Amino acid sequence: NAGVTQTPKFQVLKTGQSMTLQCAQDMNHNSMYWYRQDPGMGLRLIYYSASEGTTDKGEVPNGYNVSRLNKREFSLRLESAAPSQTSVYFCASSDAGTQAGKLFFGSGTQLSVL
Amino acid sequence: DQQVKQNSPSLSVQEGRISILNCDYTNSMFDYFLWYKKYPAEGPTFLISISSIKDKNEDGRFTVFLNKSAKHLSLHIVPSQPGDSAVYFCAPHLIQGAQKLVFGQGTRLTINP
Repeated sequence: NAGVTQTPKFQVLKTGQSMTLQCAQDMNHNSMYWYRQDPGMGLRLIYYSASEGTTDKGEVPNGYNVSRLNKREFSLRLESAAPSQTSVYFCASSDAGTQAGKLFFGSGTQLSVL
Repeated sequence: DQQVKQNSPSLSVQEGRISILNCDYTNSMFDYFLWYKKYPAEGPTFLISISSIKDKNEDGRFTVFLNKSAKHLSLHIVPSQPGDSAVYFCAPHLIQGAQKLVFGQGTRLTINP
């Protein structure tokens, strides 16, 4: 029972490089989310997708783009990485029909931008 | 504009005693309040929640209390166990077009043997 799978687990980029963080869930959830966690800041919502075919900005969307490829997959792209994007990134999914706010998280991607 | 505050970055409690983690919020539109637990190198996992129409919810060793007039909630763990050592996030829920959680900064709980 995989749940939410994120790849890669670790990544080091140079300023200006691009990369895509991959996320897939096998729980048939409608909604998917990307969060970043910084020390002392908690988790902040970058983008979310309430259902297949829709995406919306969260609290901190600047510098990121997302793609809801299908119901299972939700990717996060950094077009031109900046040191301020050094963070731990978490993907999550939820089923709006069940308990409100109960998200299932992946294990995270630790990204360093030099 | 921090809608959710966990004012204690860390808390140390002796094994067997009660752990009390606190959370304050400002937005009266939150309808559910959730607590998540996070171990190092893992994603957060759901722990317990409470609806805004209740003032207490209990699940085994974990109890969450909600004081709506004070916009304050707390998580009680009793008795505390070494495996409870983790970071705890308060996460109120809001529906604004879609479901969203607003996370507090987290409290690192350490249970000492």
